[in-house]
Amino acid sequence: ILNVEQSPQSLHVQEGDSTNFTCSFPSSNFYALHWYRWETAKSPEALFVMTLNGDEKKKGRISATLNTKEGYSYLYIKGSQPEDSATYLCAFNPGDSGAGSYQLTFGKGTKLSVIP
Amino acid sequence: SQTIHQWPATLVQPVGSPLSLECTVEGTSNPNLYWYRQAAGRGLQLLFYSVGIGQISSEVPQNLSASRPQDRQFILSSKKLLLSDSGFYLCAWSETLRNNQPQHFGDGTRLSIL
Repeated sequence: ILNVEQSPQSLHVQEGDSTNFTCSFPSSNFYALHWYRWETAKSPEALFVMTLNGDEKKKGRISATLNTKEGYSYLYIKGSQPEDSATYLCAFNPGDSGAGSYQLTFGKGTKLSVIP
Repeated sequence: SQTIHQWPATLVQPVGSPLSLECTVEGTSNPNLYWYRQAAGRGLQLLFYSVGIGQISSEVPQNLSASRPQDRQFILSSKKLLLSDSGFYLCAWSETLRNNQPQHFGDGTRLSIL
């Protein structure tokens, strides 16, 4: 069973603050790391798919970095807004033979609340 | 553009009753299809995935089964529901022709077993 850990479990920030959270995953046998945003009453929405050590991806005020050698990824949100409130999920694909891009192991998520 | 439909949105079923949840995808061909469950206090757990019609892979031993009778239709079933089958079920799809594509999720079904 793969262990994908996300921390913190939840956090509250003031509007305008920047924040970041962590996803850790097994450092052996890496294929891809996904980030998703899951807003209440909506379906999870893909943010990034990261594949290379040292990858850095950006989408508006949200960015993510990847360290496959030590097994972690950070998600950063700059100048948090109330609409950023959601649960942020990471998912690890170890790329075992036959898995391709299919089998993701999800963390439990970080629930972000941005206070106006 | 591609869309994914999943129904029903909520379902309350007695223990021992059958189950059928349906998921359809539009706007793409030969997608990979997935069923996930989120039980209380846990992360999303992959239950089944399918790379083509009639091809189903199961990730965990369980009381559920899946079928893919058509290219863009994925069905989750049970003959007799258990209390432990309660949870939030999500269907998802991804492209097959390129690796490392994100998964796209439906709106989910909240299943409560009484």
